[in-house]
Amino acid sequence: LAKTTQPISMDSYEGQEVNITCSHNNIATNDYITWYQQFPSQGPRFIIQGYKTKVTNEVASLFIPADRKSSTLSLPRVSLSDTAVYYCLVGEDDKIIFGKGTRLHILP
Amino acid sequence: DTEVTQTPKHLVMGMTNKKSLKCEQHMGHRAMYWYKQKAKKPPELMFVYSYEKLSINESVPSRFSPECPNSSLLNLHLHALQPEDSALYLCASSHPGLAGAYNEQFFGPGTRLTVL
Repeated sequence: LAKTTQPISMDSYEGQEVNITCSHNNIATNDYITWYQQFPSQGPRFIIQGYKTKVTNEVASLFIPADRKSSTLSLPRVSLSDTAVYYCLVGEDDKIIFGKGTRLHILP
Repeated sequence: DTEVTQTPKHLVMGMTNKKSLKCEQHMGHRAMYWYKQKAKKPPELMFVYSYEKLSINESVPSRFSPECPNSSLLNLHLHALQPEDSALYLCASSHPGLAGAYNEQFFGPGTRLTVL
């Protein structure tokens, strides 16, 4: 399973765009890249998933370069409620391994 | 219904007790999971059931015993736990993974377990 590396923590301000980059140098051909969000004392919540290029949904965008060795989660115009831990996962099938995650703290 | 429910929300047990955690989903998912999460750490996969059969056991001690009585229910039976087993236990469900694909997992809110 490919290992992921993310920044341990990030701070940003309300209204800003936040980009969290995840490194996954050993990603396999069949692996997808998935991001989850977790608030304290809650289960993780799926945000977005992609395989290559760019994926966008109503809450985030995911940018994946051609070599797929990294990916960037982009959160547009964050608010205080986006303060959470964000996990980047790489894998396929049923077995997924959570990395250490990025603790995002949004300031007023 | 896109919800995974877990009961109880909180559980305190002694090292000699036997208790069970329950998880339920009605999304038609045929894969269900147990994770353990310690404070300020990522969730760690414990067990995976696919089509009601145990498909992955991540070398979990036998004092944790999973059970999947039907496609909607997942139990985790606990016996002779240690204080270091205190954690948030998360259940999740998804459509079973296919080679070359990964399906979104829906997580429940977890059971906060304290072992005295």
